[in-house]
Amino acid sequence: DAGVTQSPTHLIKTRGQQVTLRCSPKSGHDTVSWYQQALGQGPQFIFQYYEEEERQRGNFPDRFSGHQFPNYSSELNVNALLLGDSALYLCASSLWDRGRLGEQYFGPGTRLTVT
Amino acid sequence: DQQVKQNSPSLSVQEGRISILNCDYTNSMFDYFLWYKKYPAEGPTFLISISSIKDKNEDGRFTVFLNKSAKHLSLHIVPSQPGDSAVYFCAASADAGNNRKLIWGLGTSLAVNP
Repeated sequence: DAGVTQSPTHLIKTRGQQVTLRCSPKSGHDTVSWYQQALGQGPQFIFQYYEEEERQRGNFPDRFSGHQFPNYSSELNVNALLLGDSALYLCASSLWDRGRLGEQYFGPGTRLTVT
Repeated sequence: DQQVKQNSPSLSVQEGRISILNCDYTNSMFDYFLWYKKYPAEGPTFLISISSIKDKNEDGRFTVFLNKSAKHLSLHIVPSQPGDSAVYFCAASADAGNNRKLIWGLGTSLAVNP
């Protein structure tokens, strides 16, 4: 049983560019959440998708957008990249009811570096 | 404003002894608390949780204690094993209708020495 998978593992982009990160949830899970984790910090909630709709959103600008597909996989898009967007981006999957409480399974993350 | 605080950045414990990781929170609306463990180059792993209606939850070697009046929770690991060496994150959430968000602490790095 595959856990949460994310791609790519590492990514280097230039300021102003756009990036798309991908996530496949754990088998049986229907909810995907995205987090940004800067060095030495805890994960910061970006948004959560369930039934292909954004259900919750953290304090992130509209440059951060997402999508959930019918197979429950998800994408995180970031436009007009800033140096401050450099971070580890974590995807977490869950069942809707348990995920609302925070019991989530995380992928290994995508390390994004903006130069 | 850090609503969930883990004041000890690191902790070192001898194998076989008890590890106690602490967490304080400021938001009295938090009603669900979780501990996650994170190894390098991996995402966090859910460990154990506790609802605010309880004061203790136990799962094998891991026990979480909640003191609501002190706005404090702790994770006890007994006995500690070298494989427990990781960063431990405390997290909390509050019920705001359908809008429940997880707030994380900064983590405590635990080293269990053989």
